This record gives sequence, structure tokens and C-alpha cells, in this order.
Amino acid sequence: GAVVSQHPSRVICKSGTSVKIECRSLDFQATTMFWYRQFPKQSLMLMATSNEGSKATYEQGVEKDKFLINHASLTLSTLTVTSAHPEDSSFYICSASSPGEGYGYTFGSGTRLTVV
Amino acid sequence: GQNIDQPTEMTATEGAIVQINCTYQTSGFNGLFWYQQHAGEAPTFLSYNVLDGLEEKGRFSSFLSRSKGYSYLLLKELQMKDSASYLCAVKRAAGNKLTFGGGTRVLVKP
Repeated sequence: GAVVSQHPSRVICKSGTSVKIECRSLDFQATTMFWYRQFPKQSLMLMATSNEGSKATYEQGVEKDKFLINHASLTLSTLTVTSAHPEDSSFYICSASSPGEGYGYTFGSGTRLTVV
Repeated sequence: GQNIDQPTEMTATEGAIVQINCTYQTSGFNGLFWYQQHAGEAPTFLSYNVLDGLEEKGRFSSFLSRSKGYSYLLLKELQMKDSASYLCAVKRAAGNKLTFGGGTRVLVKP
């Protein structure tokens, strides 16, 4: 079935630095990628939708200059958390529009970001 | 906007049945998903309903009533490994976005 590879799985960074998270679709082309954030004991909150070759669409309240999304190819989308602060510590998950079981959505394995 | 409500927590005994309800209000409804999520992991697809009725898949079943804005996930013959969060998510036709409910933490006790 469709697989989305997400890296890194865990990252610890210092406050003020930037972190890049990658999501790659394996064996299929992901024209659309959704990026979510999940705080402990809460549900997934959609941050933005990216389409290959165009600018991402951000949800209300999400700072586009802080969460940079690039979807330059049909198999790779990246989320860069710029100037990270402790409040950005969260679980970030991508989801690609995909064929097969899942009825159109395949999730990456998630990235646990801790900002110290 | 969208409103998706599900209970926060449920506790059940191993071998029993648990029903997790989800109510939603949305425009442009285009299907409802149920996912299972263990702590620190990505959601795992369980079911998708777009038409009214019951979909059965082994120990798990999902029901949808579009007119009532209501769905439930039924877990039968509960096993300890079923302890997890269960997420209800609604798909809208516009943008193909999924909006998630708050999730229901199910604890299965021996």
C-alpha cells in the first residue's frame, strides 16, 4: 500500500534555531500534503495544505512565516519550524493524498519536536 | 465552521463491547473517518463512511446517519491492545480537508 516516510521521528533543538521535517511519498505521487500539529492529549489540528508547485494554504491562526512549507516535487514536502520556541514543542504529522486503502489519506509516522 | 464532538474518555472491560459516538455539524459533508491512535504514533485508518448505514470490518463496525450528523464506532470483543485514542474525522468536499474531533481515549481493563 501507499507509504509516507516522515523524518526525523524525534528532534530536540535549542530555542531560536530552525528545524526541518520531511515527508516523502514512496511509490506514489502526492499532489497534496496536509500538515498537522498535535499537543499532548489533544487531537490533530490542521496547520496547512500544500500542493505541489504552489504556495501552501495556511489555516487561520497559523503563522506562515514561522512554519515554512515547501512542496517542490510530487514526492517530497517539507515543514520548517523557524526560530523555534518551547511552545512549538509538539507532535507534527503529515498526511498525503494517496491511492488505495485509507480512502485518500496516508499519514506519516510523525515527528516529536522538543524545543529546549 | 465545523463542530465535531466525541466523548473524552471511556473505560471498558476486556471481552466487552464499547460504542464511541461522534456528532458533527458541517457544510459540504463528504465522508467520515475513524482512526485509531496509540500514544506517540500516527493515526491508523479504521473505517470510512460516506453513505448512511453500518460498515462492518472484523471486530470494528462504523455507522453513519447523515441526516442526524451522527456516527459511531463499535468495538467488539475488546482486547487490551485496543486501549488507544479513537479519532472521528469529517471530510469536506472543498479542499479535501479532514477535520478531527477531540478524540476518545479508551482504556480496556482486564
